[in-house]
Amino acid sequence: DGGITQSPKYLFRKEGQNVTLSCEQNLNHDAMYWYRQDPGQGLRLIYYSQIVNDFQKGDIAEGYSVSREKKESFPLTVTSAQKNPTAFYLCASSIGLAGNPADTQYFGPGTRLTVL
Amino acid sequence: AQKVTQAQTEISVVEKEDVTLDCVYETRDTTYYLFWYKQPPSGELVFLIRRNSFDEQNEISGRYSWNFQKSTSSFNFTITASQVVDSAVYFCALRGLYNFNKFYFGSGTKLNVKP
Repeated sequence: DGGITQSPKYLFRKEGQNVTLSCEQNLNHDAMYWYRQDPGQGLRLIYYSQIVNDFQKGDIAEGYSVSREKKESFPLTVTSAQKNPTAFYLCASSIGLAGNPADTQYFGPGTRLTVL
Repeated sequence: AQKVTQAQTEISVVEKEDVTLDCVYETRDTTYYLFWYKQPPSGELVFLIRRNSFDEQNEISGRYSWNFQKSTSSFNFTITASQVVDSAVYFCALRGLYNFNKFYFGSGTKLNVKP
């Protein structure tokens, strides 16, 4: 089955720790994205990557870091510099630059991060 | 500026009622794309529809229909004969032609369908 997987589903972190959220896709998509969702809020873009070994900051990149070493994978690290990391994190992918302008983003199931 | 407004924060209906979710957008692009996503309690966003700005034809898919009106910059979503399984948060999103990695999401409308 083609799709996007995120792990873990729930993650608990102590203050001061870095944690890494996994996102994998087997859709052969070039572009991948990370969003943050707070309770009762919409989605805010953290980082996105159009192609392997390239990524760009979104609207709220401070305190986060990413890597894109493989087409299928786009892990997100929430660092200790992120002051309020408790949120729901969603990963998405799309065909990207090679696709038509009506490119659609498809989402993974999300990871709920709680800082204790 | 690119912006999507979903003024209805939460709507409650009784099963079998029709319900319309409003979406108003702002964009300077002459070509753009509008989307609706459903977020059930499990959390995953499910893609429902994409509409191109140059195609104003309304669309119907089963109990779902979408009304795109460029004159009022609106892309409203109607569920006919609602069901409990329709309970979710619904997001409207906008994407321009030239910055196509950027999706602008509305704040979402939470729909509660009661039996």
